[in-house]
Amino acid sequence: QVQLVQSGAEVKKPGSSVKVSCKASGGTFRSYDISWIRQAPGQGLEWLGGIIPMFGTAKYALKFQGRLTITADESTSTAYMELSSLRFEDTAVFYCARGESYSETSGYSHNWFDPWGQGTLVTVSS
Amino acid sequence: DIQMTQSPSSLSASVGDRVTITCRASQSISSYLNWYQEKPGKAPKLLIYAASSLQSGVPSRFSGSGSGTDFTLTISSLQPEDFATYYCQQSYTTPRTFGQGTKVEIK
Repeated sequence: QVQLVQSGAEVKKPGSSVKVSCKASGGTFRSYDISWIRQAPGQGLEWLGGIIPMFGTAKYALKFQGRLTITADESTSTAYMELSSLRFEDTAVFYCARGESYSETSGYSHNWFDPWGQGTLVTVSS
Repeated sequence: DIQMTQSPSSLSASVGDRVTITCRASQSISSYLNWYQEKPGKAPKLLIYAASSLQSGVPSRFSGSGSGTDFTLTISSLQPEDFATYYCQQSYTTPRTFGQGTKVEIK
């Protein structure tokens, strides 16, 4: 059974960067999307972007382009999300989740987020 | 971006009630619609994928229906552990987008 384990809580100053990791175990890593989704306090869910490790190129939501970098290391089955130029309003719980899969024979499938990591609280405070 | 609109935003119901939550997409998304349950302090949990397929391990009182732009999540007989917030999410295209959530509270 696939499990995603994220790095611990972070407190950052405005203008700085944060990098959160998401380590996968128990299943195939390279052909499944790992997406990052955040939830600000009292708010809903917002997709930031995702990467299929075998392709190496991430997709980003337009509002985060330029300050978000998503990468994946196949050798350690770990995905990373780095958000720069942090603002107070970036305070949120950040989740990684496994999304769509790709195979040469059947194309894209598994178009849903499951499982999810446990979440990482990022607090931006001066 | 595809906008996902859920209704209602919140509801109060009693144990044993039948509960229906609707989700409307701003354009057709075929059956690329998923439902999640979220409880305080926990990661969201997949309930329904591809509009009507029940995720393994999810009780059969949960069901989903719809295609195109209009979708429904139904809980046939609400149980105490079902009080939570529910989100729909489209996987038709990127950016993936979620509804604003529906909070199900105890009456």
